[in-house]
Amino acid sequence: RKEVEQDPGPFNVPEGATVAFNCTYSNSASQSFFWYRQDCRKEPKLLMSVYSSGNEDGRFTAQLNRASQYISLLIRDSKLSDSATYLCVVLDNYGQNFVFGPGTRLSVLP
Amino acid sequence: NAGVTQTPKFQVLKTGQSMTLQCAQDMNHNSMYWYRQDPGMGLRLIYYSASEGTTDKGEVPNGYNVSRLNKREFSLRLESAAPSQTSVYFCASSGYYEQYFGPGTRLTVT
Repeated sequence: RKEVEQDPGPFNVPEGATVAFNCTYSNSASQSFFWYRQDCRKEPKLLMSVYSSGNEDGRFTAQLNRASQYISLLIRDSKLSDSATYLCVVLDNYGQNFVFGPGTRLSVLP
Repeated sequence: NAGVTQTPKFQVLKTGQSMTLQCAQDMNHNSMYWYRQDPGMGLRLIYYSASEGTTDKGEVPNGYNVSRLNKREFSLRLESAAPSQTSVYFCASSGYYEQYFGPGTRLTVT
């Protein structure tokens, strides 16, 4: 089993839609969790950290379920500019190794 | 603040040639990383350095060497390039939790 798995995608949604991405991780001792976005041919950029209580940043909401080892990202009112690949990232229990999921590609269509 | 910088942005090598990819960060981060990303695949860790003077192998270290020259700089060397090393190389740095990436080096080995 891969350490971090994500919905394979791609997701093609119309502008204004709500879309949710799922991620599971295998190391139960993992300590920190993140969502990054990566535009085509660019570097990954931090979108948001994921806290145990869940957190929201504008149209983006992240949830963490430690018992199920599951992380989610919800995007409301999708914009064309949200089109990108979304990477789920888990920091291991030693606090050194960031493990990246394969990414889920999102295309928001006009 | 430049963040994480990488040079060069693009490079074409012939099989057997050597080169060094340079990375520098100005965020006073202790940890630095080198990843490669192949088309349609996630980021794979080549080497990382938890602090000045230390380096450790990641998932795919074969064919590479690294040097943590000082706290700011972390270089990646290909001693004898092979076509299998054609990829996009990203350097990243991390303080306590979040990682920040450089713009990448696109390397082609012919």
